[in-house]
Amino acid sequence: DSGVTQTPKHLITATGQRVTLRCSPRSGDLSVYWYQQSLDQGLQFLIQYYNGEERAKGNILERFSAQQFPDLHSELNLSSLELGDSALYFCASSVGEGAGSYNEQFFGPGTRLTVL
Amino acid sequence: DAKTTQPPSMDCAEGRAANLPCNHSTISGNEYVYWYRQIHSQGPQYIIHGLKNNETNEMASLIITEDRKSSTLILPHATLRDTAVYYCIVRPHTGANSKLTFGKGITLSVRP
Repeated sequence: DSGVTQTPKHLITATGQRVTLRCSPRSGDLSVYWYQQSLDQGLQFLIQYYNGEERAKGNILERFSAQQFPDLHSELNLSSLELGDSALYFCASSVGEGAGSYNEQFFGPGTRLTVL
Repeated sequence: DAKTTQPPSMDCAEGRAANLPCNHSTISGNEYVYWYRQIHSQGPQYIIHGLKNNETNEMASLIITEDRKSSTLILPHATLRDTAVYYCIVRPHTGANSKLTFGKGITLSVRP
């Protein structure tokens, strides 16, 4: 158990819909990262927040957005869903903001999103 | 794009050492080598990281060549639970960029 929690575990929805994925970081971690894992693209970095502020963006679609709240939990919002958005979505957390020898990322168990 | 290359798969017998190779010929001086693994669609799990010296922890050992262009992750006594995809990642040691860039990884199958 990494200490990072994600809800829900599974989500099944239809094309065009909007969903919200939730992540609670490990106690004491200020950074939250979101990753998407699909069969064809592998594990890809989407976005990072540190202490409530966006810090880095990866290949995140404009239909996707995220935020980190004052209690440090984070939500990833996916809208106008398409079949290709079906994937595993992982959240990770770390103590610090940037690179650094001891800023390892700890991953949650993921949310499996299926778009029908 | 990932800056590492790994063979797609390998296997080893339970109880034997598993030696997982990784090439990172374009690694720069401020980049560390990290290893993560992912067991059957679970969240990736941090294993170990190093800069240039060999490193060991309770999970594994990491051997980095002197020129730092390649490394080997060693699981000293592989068990069936070590069957997973192992990712070798290079990441800057300093700076604001802390994202992990995953490649395809190497699938390790531990056989009884």
